[in-house]
Amino acid sequence: DAGVIQSPRHEVTEMGQEVTLRCKPISGHDYLFWYRQTMMRGLELLIYFNNNVPIDDSGMPEDRFSAKMPNASFSTLKIQPSEPRDSAVYFCASSSLLGGGYTFGSGTRLTVV
Amino acid sequence: KQEVTQIPAALSVPEGENLVLNCSFTDSAIYNLQWFRQDPGKGLTSLLLIQSSQREQTSGRLNASLDKSSGRSTLYIAASQPGDSATYLCAGSSGSRLTFGEGTQLTVNP
Repeated sequence: DAGVIQSPRHEVTEMGQEVTLRCKPISGHDYLFWYRQTMMRGLELLIYFNNNVPIDDSGMPEDRFSAKMPNASFSTLKIQPSEPRDSAVYFCASSSLLGGGYTFGSGTRLTVV
Repeated sequence: KQEVTQIPAALSVPEGENLVLNCSFTDSAIYNLQWFRQDPGKGLTSLLLIQSSQREQTSGRLNASLDKSSGRSTLYIAASQPGDSATYLCAGSSGSRLTFGEGTQLTVNP
């Protein structure tokens, strides 16, 4: 298995633009997680899905953030409109086990200028 | 709410030394405990997973233990090498969320 695949690896965009981050989880993993990592706040859980259904989105910072999982092999995290404070590394992770055994993607480094 | 703390925040040791990284958590009802490694600018690599019924796991020079009663986990690295230099994060779950510590930045000097 190629692991969790995220794209793009780097994204630089202007404030106010829409940004879409993509994730392909490991086949057979029922859980998918979106995390954000910053120097100030460390790793924060934004949202997670179980069998393509959003279970807990309490970590999504604002209505500007939305996430979807249309099928078991694809998820998106969208920010519209983007702001400079959204600059961070966004990680996707998947697992077959809730609460452990997570495999992380390489992340998307987002810079909003 | 689970809170995870890692001590020390940074550690610098000479090559060959055995070392211990510490992780403490506030909720003793922790279910799983996972240790990760993160290299600069990279993603997280899973090192060891200790599931609820287990007390320790070993992989090569790494050994992780979990003591739920004291709210602690340790990661033991034997015969450290410069290639072990990275940030090590522990993460625990007491429900649906995996909560991360802030990490220990390890530098192994040749």
